[in-house]
Amino acid sequence: DSGVTQTPKHLITATGQRVTLRCSPRSGDLSVYWYQQSLDQGLQFLIQYYNGEERAKGNILERFSAQQFPDLHSELNLSSLELGDSALYFCASSPTVAGELFFGEGSRLTVL
Amino acid sequence: GENVEQHPSTLSVQEGDSAVIKCTYSDSASNYFPWYKQELGKRPQLIIDIRSNVGEKKDQRIAVTLNKTAKHFSLHITETQPEDSAVYFCAAKFDSGAGSYQLTFGKGTKLSVIP
Repeated sequence: DSGVTQTPKHLITATGQRVTLRCSPRSGDLSVYWYQQSLDQGLQFLIQYYNGEERAKGNILERFSAQQFPDLHSELNLSSLELGDSALYFCASSPTVAGELFFGEGSRLTVL
Repeated sequence: GENVEQHPSTLSVQEGDSAVIKCTYSDSASNYFPWYKQELGKRPQLIIDIRSNVGEKKDQRIAVTLNKTAKHFSLHITETQPEDSAVYFCAAKFDSGAGSYQLTFGKGTKLSVIP
């Protein structure tokens, strides 16, 4: 157990819908990262937050947004969903902006 | 931004043989290179990492080497066992500006150890 909690574990929805994925980092970790892993693909960096502030953006679509709340949990919002958004979404946390990443178990999103 | 190339994409070895996975990176300022192992259906987990002030690091059957001049680093697994079968990701840390850093991952190597 990495100490990073992600919910839901599985989510099935339809095209055009909107979903929210939730992440609670390890106790004391200030940095939260979101990664997307499509079938047989690597880990695509989406966005990073540090202590409530956005710190870095990767290949995140405009339909996607995220935030980190004062209690340090983070949410990734995916809207106007398309079939290609089906993937495993990982949240990771680290104690600093450049430390070891501890991954959650992921949220598997299926868009039908 | 940073680009990390990883080879091979798949690797099959006989149990007991060695496995080598290689990565190259583009940002010469990168100074932290972790390796993650992802078993089927599970989360990636850090197995070993190396910083730019050393050229090699070992942990039991796993070793990582770094050549900063050539901008490449490699993972070596000796005496492979069936439980080593997984997808391995290399990564490089690079400066994304404004004092922030991010890890860029390679596309992964699926290692199969044949009993």
